[in-house]
Amino acid sequence: DAGVIQSPRHEVTEMGQEVTLRCKPISGHNSLFWYRQTMMRGLELLIYFNNNVPIDDSGMPEDRFSAKMPNASFSTLKIQPSEPRDSAVYFCASSRGGAGELFFGEGSRLTVL
Amino acid sequence: ILNVEQSPQSLHVQEGDSTNFTCSFPSSNFYALHWYRWETAKSPEALFVMTLNGDEKKKGRISATLNTKEGYSYLYIKGSQPEDSATYLCASTDKLIFGTGTRLQVFP
Repeated sequence: DAGVIQSPRHEVTEMGQEVTLRCKPISGHNSLFWYRQTMMRGLELLIYFNNNVPIDDSGMPEDRFSAKMPNASFSTLKIQPSEPRDSAVYFCASSRGGAGELFFGEGSRLTVL
Repeated sequence: ILNVEQSPQSLHVQEGDSTNFTCSFPSSNFYALHWYRWETAKSPEALFVMTLNGDEKKKGRISATLNTKEGYSYLYIKGSQPEDSATYLCASTDKLIFGTGTRLQVFP
């Protein structure tokens, strides 16, 4: 298996622009997590899905952030409009669910100027 | 404890030393406890997933214990090597909330 695939790996954009990050989980995994890595808070959970359904989005910072999982093999995290404080590395991870270990993608490094 | 907390924040040890770190987590409604190893410029990789009180797991020189009643887990590294240098993360609750990690540096 190719593992969890994230795109883009790097994104540089200007404040106010829309940013879409993409994630393809490992086939057969039914839980998907979006995390944001910052210096201050480490790995911060934004949202997680179980069987394509959002279970907890309480970590989403504000209305500018939204996430979707239209099918078992694809998820997006959208920021609109983006702000400089959104600059971070965004990780997607998937698992078989239950107490299964997380498999992480390589992350998407976002820089908002 | 409402959050997942780790200590110490960082650790510098000499090659050959043994070391350990602590993860504290909410003991009510315990679900699972995960340990991950995170090397610079890479993604976190799972070391252990623990679900039962009293569980002990081992992988080579690294081992972990779990106490769900008091809400803590220890990670031990025996005979640290420079290649063990990484950040060690734990995660708990059903939402897999991560602690801020313990950054370990092993000097030759």
